[in-house]
Amino acid sequence: EAGVAQSPRYKIIEKRQSVAFWCNPISGHATLYWYQQILGQGPKLLIQFQNNGVVDDSQLPKDRFSAERLKGVDSTLKIQPAKLEDSAVYLCASSLNTGSTEAFFGQGTRLTVV
Amino acid sequence: QKEVEQNSGPLSVPEGAIASLNCTYSDRGSQSFFWYRQYSGKSPELIMFIYSNGDKEDGRFTAQLNKASQYVSLLIRDSQPSDSATYLCAVTSSGNTPLVFGKGTRLSVIA
Repeated sequence: EAGVAQSPRYKIIEKRQSVAFWCNPISGHATLYWYQQILGQGPKLLIQFQNNGVVDDSQLPKDRFSAERLKGVDSTLKIQPAKLEDSAVYLCASSLNTGSTEAFFGQGTRLTVV
Repeated sequence: QKEVEQNSGPLSVPEGAIASLNCTYSDRGSQSFFWYRQYSGKSPELIMFIYSNGDKEDGRFTAQLNKASQYVSLLIRDSQPSDSATYLCAVTSSGNTPLVFGKGTRLSVIA
């Protein structure tokens, strides 16, 4: 079974530029998460989708971050404009459903904003 | 704000010893509890989950849950240098609630 796919693996951009990340979850997984992990900290939820609907985006900085999950499969996360403090690893995870089921992570995208 | 607390470590144990990793959580409604292992530069990998009070064993790993004390732990028996990693505790309630992670405990197993 293929795992969660993310691209790109690495990205370096200048502040105020825009960037987009892509995620393809495990086939059949209805729930998709985007997490931000700053060095030395645990993953912090940015947004959670159930199929193509947003379940929780309370910690997404909506003035600069946006995410979508068209057709309830792939998802993209965009940052525009980027700030230095956005430097982090962006992790996508998926699970069959929310709540009690396990979430599986992709390899992540390491973003460096200079 | 739901919180998950872990001692950041590092926790150093000699090879062959038992490593004990602890986690407390603030939300009494939490139902599901997960332990992830994260090697440096890699993504989190699920190693254990537990839903009911008591112990759950899987190979060298044992998860322990005490909902009354809002406490979950992970024991690693016969620790190996390859167990050196950061261990993340994650908690969720039932329904459409996401995983909330602790900051992780860094474990170092000394050969």
